[in-house]
Amino acid sequence: AQKVTQAQTEISVVEKEDVTLDCVYETRDTTYYLFWYKQPPSGELVFLIRRNSFDEQNEISGRYSWNFQKSTSSFNFTITASQVVDSAVYFCALKGNFNKFYFGSGTKLNVKP
Amino acid sequence: EAQVTQNPRYLITVTGKKLTVTCSQNMNHEYMSWYRQDPGLGLRQIYYSMNVEVTDKGDVPEGYKVSRKEKRNFPLILESPSPNQTSLYFCASSPGRSSGNTIYFGEGSWLTVV
Repeated sequence: AQKVTQAQTEISVVEKEDVTLDCVYETRDTTYYLFWYKQPPSGELVFLIRRNSFDEQNEISGRYSWNFQKSTSSFNFTITASQVVDSAVYFCALKGNFNKFYFGSGTKLNVKP
Repeated sequence: EAQVTQNPRYLITVTGKKLTVTCSQNMNHEYMSWYRQDPGLGLRQIYYSMNVEVTDKGDVPEGYKVSRKEKRNFPLILESPSPNQTSLYFCASSPGRSSGNTIYFGEGSWLTVV
């Protein structure tokens, strides 16, 4: 079975705080891809990162970083020094065979000034 | 510019009035799909298409139809919309069936059925 769990429904932080969004996945595929998308209030899905199952290196992009650990089936996303513009719903997704996405239920991040 | 275009972006309609949400991509992609997004459930696949004239059900196909007569277009049809189909809908496309291919999402269509 393919499944993505984002246990945090909503998180509120004050600007400049660091925040980590959790993502745990289940899959039987040996080759798969993990994604994070940002959905601002306007509704579109903004692609943030794609990671394949053979690459466990952590990734850093500006204030964003991702920690992929196959041993715990997790792909967590950290925002350092959060800003109000980071307020959005964030989705973690898994893509195994073919092109079907399995999305988590999303985590709503509120960054207060 | 690579694009997946959905129309309409916003629609309020009444129960039972047939409607079609169009989706068009300009990247010559083989694979297209539709998702709906509901609070607390994330995005769930409605239908997908591997190529022209090839379509199949996703996880939540009830109440929807699709067609793929041309490679670039993949319309979503609600024959008799009901309030439980009020949702945010996304069309997506990608070059082929490989899981490594990037998927491109449209901007979303907000549909309200009253």
